[in-house]
Amino acid sequence: AQSVTQLDSQVPVFEEAPVELRCNYSSSVSVYLFWYVQYPNQGLQLLLKYLSGSTLVKGINGFEAEFNKSQTSFHLRKPSVHISDTAEYFCAVSDSWGKLQFGAGTQVVVTP
Amino acid sequence: DTGVSQDPRHKITKRGQNVTFRCDPISEHNRLYWYRQTLGQGPEFLTYFQNEAQLEKSRLLSDRFSAERPKGSFSTLEIQRTEQGDSAMYLCASSFVAGAGIEKLFFGSGTQLSVL
Repeated sequence: AQSVTQLDSQVPVFEEAPVELRCNYSSSVSVYLFWYVQYPNQGLQLLLKYLSGSTLVKGINGFEAEFNKSQTSFHLRKPSVHISDTAEYFCAVSDSWGKLQFGAGTQVVVTP
Repeated sequence: DTGVSQDPRHKITKRGQNVTFRCDPISEHNRLYWYRQTLGQGPEFLTYFQNEAQLEKSRLLSDRFSAERPKGSFSTLEIQRTEQGDSAMYLCASSFVAGAGIEKLFFGSGTQLSVL
């Protein structure tokens, strides 16, 4: 069975400050990990994914995530956030058929 | 590429009524997924198709739920005898995968169902 735990339900952050969103997973098989973002009134969009290879993954909009097998984590980071990064962020783990299991989400609120 | 489209965007119904939602995936995408999202939660898997074949249905899905993808293109999700607990955002996603690979999912904006 696969599952994802997002440790923070909400993260307030000031504009231009760094942000880290924490994600831990459990999986008994090969691990495929994703971060999706959901802006208000929009569909989910892929930020980045880890399938294999380098453990540091770079995504869109300046986001990156690091896969850590020993800690079963896939934390998302951005060195400097913008107001437009205000959104809900979901970590997800996939099985080999592309079926995603999502975490509960982390709401990021960026203030000036 | 017009993206994944879902219809309707919003649906209000009375308890006990049947509702049907439609999803049009991105053209030529062979996989189609249905998810349900409630407030404060991440999307929850319901079912998925490879072309017209329904490959998996969540154990959480009651018999009141049924999904079809008759020609391997658009899909419909029907809920019979709706209950207030069915109120949620229903999301559709699609992808193109050759074989059993992993590719990113493209999500629609969802259908918001409210059962009164």
